[in-house]
Amino acid sequence: KAGVTQTPRYLIKTRGQQVTLSCSPISGHRSVSWYQQTPGQGLQFLFEYFSETQRNKGNFPGRFSGRQFSNSRSEMNVSTLELGDSALYLCASSLGGGFDYGYTFGSGTRLTVV
Amino acid sequence: DAKTTQPPSMDCAEGRAANLPCNHSTISGNEYVYWYRQIHSQGPQYIIHGLKNNETNEMASLIITEDRKSSTLILPHATLRDTAVYYCIVRPLNAGNNRKLIWGLGTSLAVNP
Repeated sequence: KAGVTQTPRYLIKTRGQQVTLSCSPISGHRSVSWYQQTPGQGLQFLFEYFSETQRNKGNFPGRFSGRQFSNSRSEMNVSTLELGDSALYLCASSLGGGFDYGYTFGSGTRLTVV
Repeated sequence: DAKTTQPPSMDCAEGRAANLPCNHSTISGNEYVYWYRQIHSQGPQYIIHGLKNNETNEMASLIITEDRKSSTLILPHATLRDTAVYYCIVRPLNAGNNRKLIWGLGTSLAVNP
């Protein structure tokens, strides 16, 4: 079966711009979680969407937002980009959000802010 | 969720067993031990999980001590493709809230030819 698809794979943006990343979950999965990964911080939880509703949120500023569509696809948006936003952004989908066999990650979007 | 401690890096010869330790001394009774790995530039991949009994699947074996305060992931015959960062995580099975999940920096395993 198809895995979790994240687009684009790589992205270069300028400080002050905004960016939108996309995540298509595994068919049937209703939960999509987003993570930021930087070399010194590891994976940091951004937020989780389940059935189009944000269910959990990490400790990130309001510049980071997301949404989920009726087909479970999710997007995350970062406004007013800063150099520190350069990171690998990962999404993970699962049936119900639980950290179980079904918790599958995409390959990520590598965002570079210059 | 309980925090885990892993060595930052390890080396292993190709074809030999790789034994990756993890300390989770504050683990609660309902928390499982999960292992994921992340190959460079990819998302983390599930390997195995367990509660208190040893577990084995096609990828690896998981040995959990009797007091559950530590565990070891065993890759029986490491190959170059096993070079990755390995994460040990503890959390309740199917707990829906991953907000407090601590991934840490994991162990960077280098398998050498």
